[in-house]
Amino acid sequence: QVQLVQSGTEVKKPGASVKVSCKASGYTFNKYDIYWVRQAPGQGLEWMGWISVYNGNTKYAQKVQGRVTMTTDTSTSTAYMELRSLRSDDTAVYYCARDWGSPPDDALDIWGQGTMVTVSS
Amino acid sequence: DIQMTQSPSSLSASVGDRVTITCRASQSISTYLNWYQQKPGKAPKLLIYGASSLQSGVPSTFSGSGSGTDFTLTISSLQPEDFATYYCQQSYSTPLLTFGGGTKVEIK
Repeated sequence: QVQLVQSGTEVKKPGASVKVSCKASGYTFNKYDIYWVRQAPGQGLEWMGWISVYNGNTKYAQKVQGRVTMTTDTSTSTAYMELRSLRSDDTAVYYCARDWGSPPDDALDIWGQGTMVTVSS
Repeated sequence: DIQMTQSPSSLSASVGDRVTITCRASQSISTYLNWYQQKPGKAPKLLIYGASSLQSGVPSTFSGSGSGTDFTLTISSLQPEDFATYYCQQSYSTPLLTFGGGTKVEIK
């Protein structure tokens, strides 16, 4: 079945980096873009950024611009999100999601299970 | 950036009730509006896309309407499995997406 499977829970110290993976299966990976969304404990959903799996173009939220890099590996159908210089307010569940539809009719139809990233000294 | 405002932030309702959730955009977004349902500890699930189109597999008790700046999600008869948090999301400014703050639907 169509699914996105993310890497496991991470605990990091302030200033460290984290790299979350998102492996796709059940569909042609390079036909759908990937979004990353995060959710701080007890809070709502926050858009972090987007990557075109076709050509690698990216767009990032201003809040994480300069600290985040999104990449894909089409040979393994895996997307990655690396966040550097971690702060306590980066503590959140990080989701990857498949972009279904043609812009601007974008909708996130398949989501990963989420990766909890805790930043604590 | 386009801001999305949902109301109410929470509501209490009984099984069988009709529930309406509102989402307002800070500027016109045509019908580029999606709705998601999220249960505790789970990823969001797409319910409605393009303001009014029902995602495959979603019960017909869910419906969406609106265009421009004002949108609604309606649950015609609330079922036990519908108690969750609901988010709207605009894609007008894709790939810069924004979500509403969420509406938590609780059991009365």
